[in-house]
Amino acid sequence: EAGVTQFPSHSVIEKGQTVTLRCDPISGHDNLYWYRRVMGKEIKFLLHFVKESKQDESGMPNNRFLAERTGGTYSTLKVQPAELEDSGVYFCASSPRVASYEQYFGPGTRLTVT
Amino acid sequence: RKEVEQDPGPFNVPEGATVAFNCTYSNSASQSFFWYRQDCRKEPKLLMSVYSSGNEDGRFTAQLNRASQYISLLIRDSKLSDSATYLCVVSRYSSASKIIFGSGTRLSIRP
Repeated sequence: EAGVTQFPSHSVIEKGQTVTLRCDPISGHDNLYWYRRVMGKEIKFLLHFVKESKQDESGMPNNRFLAERTGGTYSTLKVQPAELEDSGVYFCASSPRVASYEQYFGPGTRLTVT
Repeated sequence: RKEVEQDPGPFNVPEGATVAFNCTYSNSASQSFFWYRQDCRKEPKLLMSVYSSGNEDGRFTAQLNRASQYISLLIRDSKLSDSATYLCVVSRYSSASKIIFGSGTRLSIRP
């Protein structure tokens, strides 16, 4: 079974540009999460989708971040316009529909804003 | 104050040693507790859930003290392959949902 995949693995952009990160969860997983690790800090929750609906977006830092999950399959996280402090590793995770304690993480996208 | 606090380490121990990590959490309403493992530049992976009665998985033992809001992980007979960052993770919910990470404790096992 394929795991969670993320694209791109690395992205280097200039301040003010737009970047879109993609996450493909494990097939059949209704729950999809986005997390971010900024240099030197702990991994922090951004938001949680159940199918195509946003269940919890309390961790989204500001309105420059937009997450979508049209059709309840893959998800995108757009940062527009990017700022220097947005640099970090963005992880996506998924878990099955039934109550599950394990979230399966993707390899992450390393974003560098210069 | 961080919601989940861990000693960042690094812990540098010889192969075969026993090592223990501790973690405290601030939200008494927390319901689910886990240890994740993260190798360098890789994604976090679930190591084990932590239950109130304590649980063991091979060389790994996890304990939870709700009264003190304290979680521990014990690794016995450590292997070189145990070198990684160990993340204490807490959730306010009992099912798949938002999880809160500690900053991790780095462990390095030397030959």
